Amino acid sequence: GAVVSQHPSWVICKSGTSVKIECRSLDFQATTMFWYRQFPKQSLMLMATSNEGSKATYEQGVEKDKFLINHASLTLSTLTVTSAHPEDSSFYICSARDGARIYEQYFGPGTRLTVT
Amino acid sequence: QKEVEQNSGPLSVPEGAIASLNCTYSDRGSQSFFWYRQYSGKSPELIMFIYSNGDKEDGRFTAQLNKASQYVSLLIRDSQPSDSATYLCAEGGSQGNLIFGKGTKLSVKP
Repeated sequence: GAVVSQHPSWVICKSGTSVKIECRSLDFQATTMFWYRQFPKQSLMLMATSNEGSKATYEQGVEKDKFLINHASLTLSTLTVTSAHPEDSSFYICSARDGARIYEQYFGPGTRLTVT
Repeated sequence: QKEVEQNSGPLSVPEGAIASLNCTYSDRGSQSFFWYRQYSGKSPELIMFIYSNGDKEDGRFTAQLNKASQYVSLLIRDSQPSDSATYLCAEGGSQGNLIFGKGTKLSVKP
């Protein structure tokens, strides 16, 4: 159980375009989803926390107008990188928390974004 | 601000040995701690969590928490080459998020 999927697994886009990444909890209801970013040889850094039906809470230094997060249902959250630039190239990973098991958080497989 | 510190390694152990991974945290009030394993190019996999002082065992893995010393460790018994990965220590944040350390790279030599 506790499977989280992400789509796409990798994407290459041109500078200035927008990219949408989907995160789905497949077998549980995720009241909260988190979006992390990981640059090479660095640890995961939290970008934003997303609660179903409400606006996402962004971490300091993360531009909310550039990284649009929508958590429209208990099983789906999306991250849209708008007007992407090469410095946005990174490994984006979502995680979901099962409301019934508060100490456990399950990660999606990640999306490798390359902006050329 | 919460911080989690880990030795980046690499930590190299022979196959069959015990690997000991350590982590310290800054917030004395933190309640929950997690160990994740991350293979190169993959997302983290939860190994175990711990929130009470003492030891917690799950198969070949034992997590140890010492709140007085603000110290969390993970022991891997009978290490296998397939255990070679980066091990991330994390503490639970106030919003249910995770605050990660930079990870310790473990190499198990056959």
